[in-house]
This record gives sequence, C-alpha cells and structure tokens, in this order.
Amino acid sequence: QKEVEQDPGPLSVPEGAIVSLNCTYSNSAFQYFMWYRQYSRKGPELLMYTYSSGNKEDGRFTAQVDKSSKYISLFIRDSQPSDSATYLCAMSMIKAAGNKLTFGGGTRVLVKP
Amino acid sequence: DVKVTQSSRYLVKRTGEKVFLECVQDMDHENMFWYRQDPGLGLRLIYFSYDVKMKEKGDIPEGYSVSREKKERFSLILESASTNQTSMYLCASSSVQSQGNIQYFGAGTRLSVL
Repeated sequence: QKEVEQDPGPLSVPEGAIVSLNCTYSNSAFQYFMWYRQYSRKGPELLMYTYSSGNKEDGRFTAQVDKSSKYISLFIRDSQPSDSATYLCAMSMIKAAGNKLTFGGGTRVLVKP
Repeated sequence: DVKVTQSSRYLVKRTGEKVFLECVQDMDHENMFWYRQDPGLGLRLIYFSYDVKMKEKGDIPEGYSVSREKKERFSLILESASTNQTSMYLCASSSVQSQGNIQYFGAGTRLSVL
C-alpha cells in the first residue's frame, strides 16, 4: 500500500462547477500538506500549503486537512478551462530527513468550456 | 521570484551515451532534488543533496549519479543511458528554513533514449 493515495482520474467537469480533489495517507507523522498544480509538459507549481488540521482559502481554492481521518482535500470553485491540469498532493513530517516530501500520484482534471 | 532552471527542455540521446542534466536555482536553497516522473508511477526521487558535495540516494538511484560542486547547481548524470531511462526529469530545491519542506520545481527535461 502506498503511503499517499490519490485517484488518478481523469476528472471531467463543466466550466463553473466545483472541483473536489482528495488524498488519503497512512503516516500519522505527516504535519505539512501541500497541493501542487502541474500543467502538461511543465513542472509542478505550489498551489496551497497548510499546517496540521483545518481549512485554508485562497481565492477560488480551499484546502482542508482532517488529520483524524488522514484525509486532505482541495476544492476549486467556479472552475475555468485554465484549471485543467494534474493536481498533486504532497506531505511531510516536521523533521523529514533531507526535507523530503511524499507525493500522491496526481489527479488529472479537465474543465470543459 | 523563485526560480529553478533546467538546462534543457527536450533531449534525445542514444543508448550507451553519457548524459548530463543540469539544474540551477537562484534562491540560495540548501536542498536540491532530482525526480523522474512516469505515467502511472508518479514522482520518484532519484537523489537529493542537502549541502555542497553531499548527496543521498533516493528511491531509485540505480543507473544514476549526481554532482553538487556549487550550492546553486545540481547535476544528474546517466553514466550509460538506456531506453528505460526515457522519462520526464524534474529538479527541485528547498530551504532548510522552510518548516513545511516546500519544494520549488523546474520546468522539467523530457529525455528520450533511443
């Protein structure tokens, strides 16, 4: 079993819909949680970053962390065709050796005009 | 602004060639990483470095080596390229000051080995 599980998709939604993405993990030592967005043939770029449990909002994006369930989510409101990309979750421990991150496999999202 | 630059976007090499992939970051980060990314397998860590001349093996180091002679530059070396090393290679860097270990990525190098 992988340490971080993420549905690969593809997840296809109409423009304007809410996109809901999630990851589950098994290591209770993870404290930092990130979402990266990766456009086709490009490198991942940091989208959201949260520490421990709770919610964080940034414009159309909301990240949620539920440590008791070992479950994290990313919501994209009013989705646009430009949101079409692969979304990777990543997480780390407080003192990760070499500052390493553990990544999910990524979910491909397609927003149709 | 954060910048990680990979020297090539696309490379085509022949089996058996020695291949150098270069990565430069301008953020004075201590940590640098090399990943490969393949469909269905996600990001896999090849090597990382937490200081000049220091290196640590990641999850899939076989067939690769690295060099870090200067803080801003981290090179990935394929000693004798093979077709199963055809992949997207991503370089990343992070600061030891970052509590969350946030990594910043380059645009990637798509390597084809024929």
